[in-house]
Amino acid sequence: GENVEQHPSTLSVQEGDSAVIKCTYSDSASNYFPWYKQELGKRPQLIIDIRSNVGEKKDQRIAVTLNKTAKHFSLHITETQPEDSAVYFCAASIESGGGNKLTFGTGTQLKVEL
Amino acid sequence: NAGVTQTPKFQVLKTGQSMTLQCAQDMNHNSMYWYRQDPGMGLRLIYYSASEGTTDKGEVPNGYNVSRLNKREFSLRLESAAPSQTSVYFCASSEVRLGRATDTQYFGPGTRLTVL
Repeated sequence: GENVEQHPSTLSVQEGDSAVIKCTYSDSASNYFPWYKQELGKRPQLIIDIRSNVGEKKDQRIAVTLNKTAKHFSLHITETQPEDSAVYFCAASIESGGGNKLTFGTGTQLKVEL
Repeated sequence: NAGVTQTPKFQVLKTGQSMTLQCAQDMNHNSMYWYRQDPGMGLRLIYYSASEGTTDKGEVPNGYNVSRLNKREFSLRLESAAPSQTSVYFCASSEVRLGRATDTQYFGPGTRLTVL
């Protein structure tokens, strides 16, 4: 099955700096790569996703890049703010003839310090 | 429009007890999922239901059963709870359109389960 590795497990940045979180996946058939943000005690919420037919996608201060050849994808957050502090999860999806079986990374605890 | 709802929010069980976690969505989504979240391990898929009337195992199905009661509801049952099943359980749903099985999953608020 699919295996997703995520690094780093913790990341501390100064407010205004950029943060980068990296993930690798094992199954070349994966074609959907979402990123979720989870605040303490809350549910995971989608912040951005990318499909395998594009290499980069941007939404305001958040961007995701995908390298299919190397089987890795990254989340970039620019001009970080204290409200960006949370756990971020990457995931990859394998087609299963129905449904969307996501395999998640183990998460990155991002702390934005004032 | 409540999205995905789960009951209960918290539960404490003794080893060997059984219980059912309930999940419902009002977004008319085809697919529903059950995940468990443990510290340092991310979210792991327990079971999923691609459409009403179908269920399939995920990564960690042992010790669980599911029922897709109708299009809205998907329940997770622990027949004989074990301490290893202490976790936070999330239900999710997504709309699967023809030829595109990679749509956004929306999560419920979670159920925090402790098995003593």
